[in-house]
Amino acid sequence: NAGVTQTPKFRILKIGQSMTLQCTQDMNHNYMYWYRQDPGMGLKLIYYSVGAGITDKGEVPNGYNVSRSTTEDFPLRLELAAPSQTSVYFCASTLSNRVGGVPGELFFGEGSRLTVL
Amino acid sequence: AQTVTQSQPEMSVQEAETVTLSCTYDTSENNYYLFWYKQPPSRQMILVIRQEAYKQQNATENRFSVNFQKAAKSFSLKISDSQLGDTAMYFCAFMKPGGAGNNRKLIWGLGTSLAVNP
Repeated sequence: NAGVTQTPKFRILKIGQSMTLQCTQDMNHNYMYWYRQDPGMGLKLIYYSVGAGITDKGEVPNGYNVSRSTTEDFPLRLELAAPSQTSVYFCASTLSNRVGGVPGELFFGEGSRLTVL
Repeated sequence: AQTVTQSQPEMSVQEAETVTLSCTYDTSENNYYLFWYKQPPSRQMILVIRQEAYKQQNATENRFSVNFQKAAKSFSLKISDSQLGDTAMYFCAFMKPGGAGNNRKLIWGLGTSLAVNP
């Protein structure tokens, strides 16, 4: 059971470039999230999804886009990368109900370290 | 709006000793969930322990236990018999109760960096 898989683990971008961070989970979780974590800070929610075809903004959505065409995949798109987007990005997922899972127990990927120069 | 505060940015403890990490929160909800997550240097976040607010009994998971004081809105984590592998960032988090429309978003504290020294 792979859990939550993120790719790439590391990436360096030039200002103005675009890229997509991939996230896939094999636990049939309805809810998926993208967070960013800046040095010495907690997690800030970028976007989240409560199911395929449904996405919504979190606290810091500017400069990002997401899509959720399947239950398994939740890619994060960075358009026109800026130095302020240098961060570690985490994808997470959870079950939508209590059956078979702990409410609020998020399963995280290993993170993607992005540097924008 | 709910907030979560961790007042200790860094802590250290000697191996085999006990350490307590503090967390306070603010909410007007009566029922909710509280969590402690651990982020080791390898970076993958994992759940340590959770507490449901309607339960008076403090949650325990092996060497990890919480002191949940609902009236004081306090949720501290006690780690007994600290091990080198406990070295990590620890995050306290809050979630509203379940139900229709609940997007299960967690509200996070800024974290406490714990170093376990040999």
